[in-house]
Amino acid sequence: AQKVTQAQTEISVVEKEDVTLDCVYETRDTTYYLFWYKQPPSGELVFLIRRNSFDEQNEISGRYSWNFQKSTSSFNFTITASQVVDSAVYFCALIGSSNDYKLSFGAGTTVTVRA
Amino acid sequence: NAGVTQTPKFRVLKTGQSMTLLCAQDMNHEYMYWYRQDPGMGLRLIHYSVGEGTTAKGEVPDGYNVSRLKKQNFLLGLESAAPSQTSVYFCSSSYGGSSYEQYFGPGTRLTVT
Repeated sequence: AQKVTQAQTEISVVEKEDVTLDCVYETRDTTYYLFWYKQPPSGELVFLIRRNSFDEQNEISGRYSWNFQKSTSSFNFTITASQVVDSAVYFCALIGSSNDYKLSFGAGTTVTVRA
Repeated sequence: NAGVTQTPKFRVLKTGQSMTLLCAQDMNHEYMYWYRQDPGMGLRLIHYSVGEGTTAKGEVPDGYNVSRLKKQNFLLGLESAAPSQTSVYFCSSSYGGSSYEQYFGPGTRLTVT
């Protein structure tokens, strides 16, 4: 069984504040992949990052950064100096090697950035 | 490349009516998926396909059927629509299984009255 939990339902910040989205996962697989997707108000789903279970190196891409910690089964996502265009629903997702078709999504965190 | 496209974008059905949602991808992907998105529940997998001519059930398959007659197309059918099937439906595709990201279509908003 695999499960993704995003405990934060909604986060509201003022522009230029940092935002950290929490993601906790459960899986029995030793090989698995974690993803973050963004869903802006227009509705499409945009792939942001993929991380495999053997690579705990944290990553920074522009204003986005990800913190993967296997010891706590967490894959958190931070937006630095948020902008209004960052307003969206963000989904964390997991797929395990034993069920390579089943991408399990968290319930999503709605981020609202106010000008 | 158009990526993943879905037809139609919006549809309103009456209970008991049938319809087919079409998903097309031009990336030569082997795997294709159908999800539904309901408020507060993320996306849930309905059916998927690992190649032309193959289909399999996902997490919430009841009330839906699928077909993958051509590699680039994946059809989702509702034989007798129910109000519980009111949702936003997303199709996605990927090169393979777990190690590859899925690319999503724009979604179809379906309302069943």
